[in-house]
Amino acid sequence: AQTVTQSQPEMSVQEAETVTLSCTYDTSENNYYLFWYKQPPSRQMILVIRQEAYKQQNATENRFSVNFQKAAKSFSLKISDSQLGDTAMYFCAFMPGTSGTYKYIFGTGTRLKVLA
Amino acid sequence: DADVTQTPRNRITKTGKRIMLECSQTKGHDRMYWYRQDPGLGLRLIYYSFDVKDINKGEISDGYSVSRQAQAKFSLSLESAIPNQTALYFCATSEKRDSPWLGQFFGPGTRLTVL
Repeated sequence: AQTVTQSQPEMSVQEAETVTLSCTYDTSENNYYLFWYKQPPSRQMILVIRQEAYKQQNATENRFSVNFQKAAKSFSLKISDSQLGDTAMYFCAFMPGTSGTYKYIFGTGTRLKVLA
Repeated sequence: DADVTQTPRNRITKTGKRIMLECSQTKGHDRMYWYRQDPGLGLRLIYYSFDVKDINKGEISDGYSVSRQAQAKFSLSLESAIPNQTALYFCATSEKRDSPWLGQFFGPGTRLTVL
């Protein structure tokens, strides 16, 4: 069975600095997708960034980028120039690409606090 | 207007009561999902539906039932609520099966408290 592990329950970072959130996963599949979601205090789940397993190039969305290491089954999220609005829970999610069900398996989340 | 809506947003109920959480979407997606979120556990899948006639259990379906009344509506019921069903519940949708890259789109969540 696939599993997703986020080993950092809580993190903090000073405003304008860079922080990296870790995510590791376990799967025997070769085709899959990885996602990072942000959940601010409003509770809304917001898609931050996504990565296809067969693409070696790391995804980037403005201040958010990932370090995807397929062999190590690692998918970390880097937030550059952190802003107060980045304060939120961050969830890593795995989606198998071959099963046909396209269900998410979520990690347990990392609570990030950006300090002024 | 929001693409995925959930009602109610917050609900407090008592043990043994029947409760229904409703989800509606205007995205035209065929797939809909119900998750629950608990502190320290992340989001876990309760049920999912590929279309009106195709409903499937997720990893934690015991104590829950669902109804897909139309392509746009997917309801979650707790037949006899118990305190450990206190959680944040999310509805999500996704597009046709050949677009996993697009991911899932979430509603705003329903905070349910069972006393």
